[in-house]
Amino acid sequence: RKEVEQDPGPFNVPEGATVAFNCTYSNSASQSFFWYRQDCRKEPKLLMSVYSSGNEDGRFTAQLNRASQYISLLIRDSKLSDSATYLCVVNIAYSGAGSYQLTFGKGTKLSVIP
Amino acid sequence: DGGITQSPKYLFRKEGQNVTLSCEQNLNHDAMYWYRQDPGQGLRLIYYSQIVNDFQKGDIAEGYSVSREKKESFPLTVTSAQKNPTAFYLCASNPTGVHEKLFFGSGTQLSVL
Repeated sequence: RKEVEQDPGPFNVPEGATVAFNCTYSNSASQSFFWYRQDCRKEPKLLMSVYSSGNEDGRFTAQLNRASQYISLLIRDSKLSDSATYLCVVNIAYSGAGSYQLTFGKGTKLSVIP
Repeated sequence: DGGITQSPKYLFRKEGQNVTLSCEQNLNHDAMYWYRQDPGQGLRLIYYSQIVNDFQKGDIAEGYSVSREKKESFPLTVTSAQKNPTAFYLCASNPTGVHEKLFFGSGTQLSVL
């Protein structure tokens, strides 16, 4: 089983639509979760950290489901400028106890269409 | 302004040549990382360092080398042993380690001539 999995998309949605991405992770001991946005040939930029209680930042809402080991990102009222690849990042335990590594999903590509 | 600076933005390597990618940060972060990204792929960890004069291999360290002689600097050398070096290379840092968000440099695109 891959450690961090995302649907690669592409998701093509009209402006104003609501779109949701999921990301599953393999390690139940994971403690930190993030969503990054990456534009083509640019560096990833932090969109949101994901907290246990869920969190919202404007049109963006992130949720964590520890029981099912997934995180989600909801984008409401999509804008053309939301077109990008969205990367899920989870710290995954490896080798000895207490050893973690930030692990990236392959990303989900979103295209918002006029 | 504080941040991470990677140079050069574009780099070309000849067969059998070693090349070094620069990464400098003025965020006073202890931990620094090098990732490789291939088209349509996620980021894969090459090396990381959590403290000066110490570094660890990531998932794909073969054909690469690093040094961490100063807190601010974490250069990556792509050696001739790396047979498929064409990729987008990203340097990142965070204050103390893997439980915190990463700050990224703008990346270096390496291509083989």
